[in-house]
Amino acid sequence: GESVGLHLPTLSVQEGDNSIINCAYSNSASDYFIWYKQESGKGPQFIIDIRSNMDKRQGQRVTVLLNKTVKHLSLQIAATQPGDSAVYFCAERGGGATNKLIFGTGTLLAVQP
Amino acid sequence: DAGVIQSPRHEVTEMGQEVTLRCKPISGHNSLFWYRQTMMRGLELLIYFNNNVPIDDSGMPEDRFSAKMPNASFSTLKIQPSEPRDSAVYFCASERRGSTQETQYFGPGTRLLVL
Repeated sequence: GESVGLHLPTLSVQEGDNSIINCAYSNSASDYFIWYKQESGKGPQFIIDIRSNMDKRQGQRVTVLLNKTVKHLSLQIAATQPGDSAVYFCAERGGGATNKLIFGTGTLLAVQP
Repeated sequence: DAGVIQSPRHEVTEMGQEVTLRCKPISGHNSLFWYRQTMMRGLELLIYFNNNVPIDDSGMPEDRFSAKMPNASFSTLKIQPSEPRDSAVYFCASERRGSTQETQYFGPGTRLLVL
């Protein structure tokens, strides 16, 4: 029979444009959120994190926004470069004692030169 | 500093054989996680340890899978006997729990193919 894999949402952008990758999380008690970048053949690489007591955090060319009201997380990449092409995952950690992360299915970012 | 180290990077084996995957976490990290990634199911947590003690193994598929962490600098994930459906990329990640940045850092993964 035909195998069916996960269907990754794809965001295609032009080099130099800004990118916005969105993520909906599930647990209103989650207190910590992380964005990872995974390039082909490599492990997920930490990009930026944010705690639930914040709504915005900036890094180098990246910004994470957290909207707890609608349980939404976004990653903004400024001046997107070909090297930014990868799959991006958001992850949430439930509140309390656990340090278990729940990962989203990922978004494929394709940067066109 | 060295990141998380995994070995082997690639493993091809035949159905029924035992497979052992190895992980060395980042020095000073006290939590270790084993994940499996496939196209069908994405990234799944198999098991994690805090201070070398298994905390949650609810993601381990079945009794054929076992994981150990004999000390703070080494962990193994064993599959015995292996089956074709175990083919996947297996990642190890580590974290310094209790620090200001409690994030997991991933190794490069082991690509396992069971024929």
